[in-house]
Amino acid sequence: EPEVTQTPSHQVTQMGQEVILRCVPISNHLYFYWYRQILGQKVEFLVSFYNNEISEKSEIFDDQFSVERPDGSNFTLKIRSTKLEDSAMYFCASSEGLGVYEQFFGPGTRLTVL
Amino acid sequence: DQQVKQNSPSLSVQEGRISILNCDYTNSMFDYFLWYKKYPAEGPTFLISISSIKDKNEDGRFTVFLNKSAKHLSLHIVPSQPGDSAVYFCAGGLIQGAQKLVFGQGTRLTINP
Repeated sequence: EPEVTQTPSHQVTQMGQEVILRCVPISNHLYFYWYRQILGQKVEFLVSFYNNEISEKSEIFDDQFSVERPDGSNFTLKIRSTKLEDSAMYFCASSEGLGVYEQFFGPGTRLTVL
Repeated sequence: DQQVKQNSPSLSVQEGRISILNCDYTNSMFDYFLWYKKYPAEGPTFLISISSIKDKNEDGRFTVFLNKSAKHLSLHIVPSQPGDSAVYFCAGGLIQGAQKLVFGQGTRLTINP
């Protein structure tokens, strides 16, 4: 069964460092998303991506964040200068779009900023 | 801005009985709702969805009911099994735009043998 994969599973970084979180969405899906979940809180939408551009972004997704689809399979989230409050689980998701709304999530990357 | 709320942080049910998980929403613009199940250290797993134009959708042991006038939906699991123990999230979405999902806080379901 096709699935969304994410690497690494756990990333530890120092405050102020750049991190790149990687995702491989399901191959025939057209919409890609990043969400995050701070420990004990809700899963929050960060950004959606369609047709090689950002469709929508939340207030959380400020200038420190960027997304990219560098090739036909990978979808990345970059945080330029990490802050302590960026520590969270980051989930990538994808959906077929075109009237199919179910989003399928990856296993997540746990980001720890020290 | 709590557009989707799950007011019960936890629920404990005996194996074989019915589990009922509840969700309320404030945004009447949602076009569809989804339920996800999440185990620790894993991503949310899609369970079942319902369009806002329907009031019920069933898939095996899982049934979702939507009451638009009350802005309330519920997930029924029957019979409950030990493997159902997990955190359950409801989420609302809009067809227009980026189809982002708005999640509730989650309810931890524990199935007791």
